[in-house]
Amino acid sequence: GAVVSQHPSWVICKSGTSVKIECRSLDFQATTMFWYRQFPKQSLMLMATSNEGSKATYEQGVEKDKFLINHASLTLSTLTVTSAHPEDSSFYICSPSPRTYEQYFGPGTRLTVT
Amino acid sequence: KQEVTQIPAALSVPEGENLVLNCSFTDSAIYNLQWFRQDPGKGLTSLLLIQSSQREQTSGRLNASLDKSSGRSTLYIAASQPGDSATYLCAVGRSFSGYEKLTFGTGTRLTIIP
Repeated sequence: GAVVSQHPSWVICKSGTSVKIECRSLDFQATTMFWYRQFPKQSLMLMATSNEGSKATYEQGVEKDKFLINHASLTLSTLTVTSAHPEDSSFYICSPSPRTYEQYFGPGTRLTVT
Repeated sequence: KQEVTQIPAALSVPEGENLVLNCSFTDSAIYNLQWFRQDPGKGLTSLLLIQSSQREQTSGRLNASLDKSSGRSTLYIAASQPGDSATYLCAVGRSFSGYEKLTFGTGTRLTIIP
């Protein structure tokens, strides 16, 4: 149980373009979705938290207009990096949560912006 | 602001040895502490979760301890194997507006030498 998928697993895009990352919980429903990013040799940093059907709450320093989060259903959430720049190159990991104090992690998406 | 530190940042040990990974956190008002392993370019696998009221948890060759008052946790790995090579992350959880927020440590990159 608790299978999480992310798509794509790896993406390269040109500076100024937008990229959408999908996160699906395959065998459970996620009332809450967490999105993390991890820069090389650094730990995971929480970017934002969203509840199904509600607007996401962003951590300090994370631009909400740049990182668009949609949590339209209990099994799907998307993160769109708009007008990507090289400094947005990172490893993005979603973490769906079926209930409080229970989180599962996706395999991650490696984004490289050239 | 919670800060989580892991020492050492990297560790190499011969196969078969026992080893200890350390995690320290600055704010003792935590709900739980988890240890994860992360394989290169992949998501996280939860290893052990210790509730704030507990002192330790064991799973197979792994034993994690928690001393909340001193802000420390250790992960003990017995009889290490090459398959244990990975980055180990600790994360402290706290309740925030009805859900749990995790703050991750900086990680220890473990290499088991055959």
